[in-house]
Amino acid sequence: GAVVSQHPSRVICKSGTSVKIECRSLDFQATTMFWYRQFPKQSLMLMATSNEGSKATYEQGVEKDKFLINHASLTLSTLTVTSAHPEDSSFYICSAHPGQGLDTQYFGPGTRLTVL
Amino acid sequence: AQKITQTQPGMFVQEKEAVTLDCTYDTSDPSYGLFWYKQPSSGEMIFLIYQGSYDQQNATEGRYSLNFQKARKSANLVISASQLGDSAMYFCAMRGSNYQLIWGAGTKLIIKP
Repeated sequence: GAVVSQHPSRVICKSGTSVKIECRSLDFQATTMFWYRQFPKQSLMLMATSNEGSKATYEQGVEKDKFLINHASLTLSTLTVTSAHPEDSSFYICSAHPGQGLDTQYFGPGTRLTVL
Repeated sequence: AQKITQTQPGMFVQEKEAVTLDCTYDTSDPSYGLFWYKQPSSGEMIFLIYQGSYDQQNATEGRYSLNFQKARKSANLVISASQLGDSAMYFCAMRGSNYQLIWGAGTKLIIKP
């Protein structure tokens, strides 16, 4: 149980295009989903926290117009990188939290974005 | 402010030996949770073990155990009988507000045959 999928696993796009990444909790409902960004050989950097049905809360320094997050249902959150540029190339990971007072959150396998 | 510190950027360990990965934390909250995750080269974050601040006993999961010393604010991960497949990045994390995780810098563990 507690499986989180992320799609696509890899994407290569041209500069200026938008890319959508999906994060799904497959066998549980996630009241909260988190989006992280990870640069090579570094730790995870929290970008934003999204709760179903409400606007995402972005961390300081993360452009909300650049990284659009939608959490339309209890099992799906999407991250759209708008007008992507080479500096947006990174590894993006989502995690889903089932709520109910539990501490553990479950991670998707990640999406490697390369912007040419 | 809450903080996680991992002071070992990298470690080399001989196969079959036990290894301890260090993690210290700082928080003023009386209730908190501590996690260890493994990240192999594929990038996925694999949950290893969890310790709640009120848990009386150290957490164990198979070959993984967490040496929780509350007074010292340390939560070291112990891997017994290391295997080649244990080579990966290891991250210590702490639950913050709104269930966010606060991450350490990670330790790269390499198991030598």
